[in-house]
Amino acid sequence: AQKVTQAQTEISVVEKEDVTLDCVYETRDTTYYLFWYKQPPSGELVFLIRRNSFDEQNEISGRYSWNFQKSTSSFNFTITASQVVDSAVYFCALSVASGTYKYIFGTGTRLKVLA
Amino acid sequence: SAVISQKPSRDICQRGTSLTIQCQVDSQVTMMFWYRQQPGQSLTLIATANQGSEATYESGFVIDKFPISRPNLTFSTLTVSNMSPEDSSIYLCSVVIRGNTGELFFGEGSRLTVL
Repeated sequence: AQKVTQAQTEISVVEKEDVTLDCVYETRDTTYYLFWYKQPPSGELVFLIRRNSFDEQNEISGRYSWNFQKSTSSFNFTITASQVVDSAVYFCALSVASGTYKYIFGTGTRLKVLA
Repeated sequence: SAVISQKPSRDICQRGTSLTIQCQVDSQVTMMFWYRQQPGQSLTLIATANQGSEATYESGFVIDKFPISRPNLTFSTLTVSNMSPEDSSIYLCSVVIRGNTGELFFGEGSRLTVL
């Protein structure tokens, strides 16, 4: 069975601080995909990134960066120099290529960036 | 990405009634799912909407309570039947777009309140 764990329920930081959101996943499949989504107070889910299991390169997009480590089954998300607009709930998700395509979501981490 | 339109965006319903939510996508999709997000919670997969055949339901969700139709590639409906206050939730349509790399895109959600 697949599982995604986001142990951090809520994080508060002051603007301009860096913050890392943790994601640990479980799967027996060798081919799988990992995702991060942002859900701002408006409620809409926004896709941020997709990673496949064969690509362990870290990725940077502006102030966002992602660290994928298969050895620890983690796919962590770092926001550098956080801003108030980063305040949202962030979800990590997993899907596997075998059988029915299902997307399993973690419980989410609520990030509050204080001015 | 794609434009995913959900109707209604919100509704207040009486106990015992049923409500049908529509989801229309402006692109060809390979997969279509319905999720539920209860207040302050993560996303729970209700079912995979299969084109022209019965939906595939997750554990804890049954067709009598959540009938789903998907008559073509770009349209689906979810009915919440015989509603109770426990059904108060956001219901989200999500899709994988044909030709994309497998990320899920979400509609804006339908927020149902059952009195």
